[in-house]
Amino acid sequence: SQQGEEDPQALSIQEGENATMNCSYKTSINNLQWYRQNSGRGLVHLILIRSNEREKHSGRLRVTLDTSKKSSSLLITASRAADTASYFCATDGDGQGGKLIFGQGTELSVKP
Amino acid sequence: DAGVIQSPRHEVTEMGQEVTLRCKPISGHNSLFWYRQTMMRGLELLIYFNNNVPIDDSGMPEDRFSAKMPNASFSTLKIQPSEPRDSAVYFCASNTGGGETQYFGPGTRLLVL
Repeated sequence: SQQGEEDPQALSIQEGENATMNCSYKTSINNLQWYRQNSGRGLVHLILIRSNEREKHSGRLRVTLDTSKKSSSLLITASRAADTASYFCATDGDGQGGKLIFGQGTELSVKP
Repeated sequence: DAGVIQSPRHEVTEMGQEVTLRCKPISGHNSLFWYRQTMMRGLELLIYFNNNVPIDDSGMPEDRFSAKMPNASFSTLKIQPSEPRDSAVYFCASNTGGGETQYFGPGTRLLVL
């Protein structure tokens, strides 16, 4: 299976609620990244967390990393309709020579 | 900064025709990546270059696909001959190397009839 696997595959919430997405991976990593993709557009980088970090914040985004469990979570607080998009985690595991492996993504729908 | 530039944005062609997709990475970036995205297979890395040299082409599906990077500011992905199953969105991305943040272009939506 893929290096990065997101859970859930789809999530539907109301505006103002928090959204949590999870990512699991298999090998050791140097960093883990989260990207957003709006329908019909390219991926946009959101946040990068390094293997020696446990938590990182950027605006309404909070990312955690647990290397012992090989998992990460992305929390979007006070969601907005504009947050509707697909969210992908990506890892740069050992032996990957600089390439990222992307998961299948979580499709988030925020209803106004 | 103009970001990663891809052309064309949309391409409709008939089976058997040659298709060439183009990419201009962000100036100063020395790594370039070609991805393919479909509903069935998600986002797949096809090939990536470092300092214009192909490093890993293990994702290239078959000999019908080829990619070149003649200089630091231009890359092409060619499909010859094209088949309906090649229909997908093709993305180009660039970065400063290693596993750092990648910057994606807007993609080329390819439809092979």
